[in-house]
Amino acid sequence: ILNVEQSPQSLHVQEGDSTNFTCSFPSSNFYALHWYRWETAKSPEALFVMTLNGDEKKKGRISATLNTKEGYSYLYIKGSQPEDSATYLCALLTTSGTYKYIFGTGTRLKVLA
Amino acid sequence: GAGVSQTPSNKVTEKGKYVELRCDPISGHTALYWYRQSLGQGPEFLIYFQGTGAADDSGLPNDRFFAVRPEGSVSTLKIQRTERGDSAVYLCASSLGAQETQYFGPGTRLLVL
Repeated sequence: ILNVEQSPQSLHVQEGDSTNFTCSFPSSNFYALHWYRWETAKSPEALFVMTLNGDEKKKGRISATLNTKEGYSYLYIKGSQPEDSATYLCALLTTSGTYKYIFGTGTRLKVLA
Repeated sequence: GAGVSQTPSNKVTEKGKYVELRCDPISGHTALYWYRQSLGQGPEFLIYFQGTGAADDSGLPNDRFFAVRPEGSVSTLKIQRTERGDSAVYLCASSLGAQETQYFGPGTRLLVL
């Protein structure tokens, strides 16, 4: 069973700071890696889908990279804003039998104004 | 368009009671998933429907948990004889197909006293 780890568990940054967090996994035996942003009392929002080693995706101030050979994905936020405060979840879409997500425990980001 | 909706938003019940949690997926999405997030954990897979049938129920923790999707649209997760350990956020997601990005509802927060 794949074990997805995210670090750090939580962090506080000042408005305007750039930050990044990590999703690590022991095996590249998955179909795709997804990043979600989950704000309190709202639905998790899909940010990125990545499938190939070396993939890089960008949406505004947020970007992500995937390295399947070394088993990690990074999520970067440039110039953090208070509205970026949320839990960021990494999920592997697994291919063993049914397609389903294996989630990490998430990184809780708080951006201080 | 309308996203995935879940009702109720919050549910407080007493140990031993029966509860039903409802999920309305995005129209046209044939795949539907239930996940459970316990405190301090990432969401964990419970069950996957393709159309009306449960294609994978390997994540259901025991026989007190059951889910249905009789017409291939709305799904209900049913928990019998609730226990305090069932307290969690129950998330529903839907997708166009098994390999596609999953779109989540806001979750039902269940508290068993």
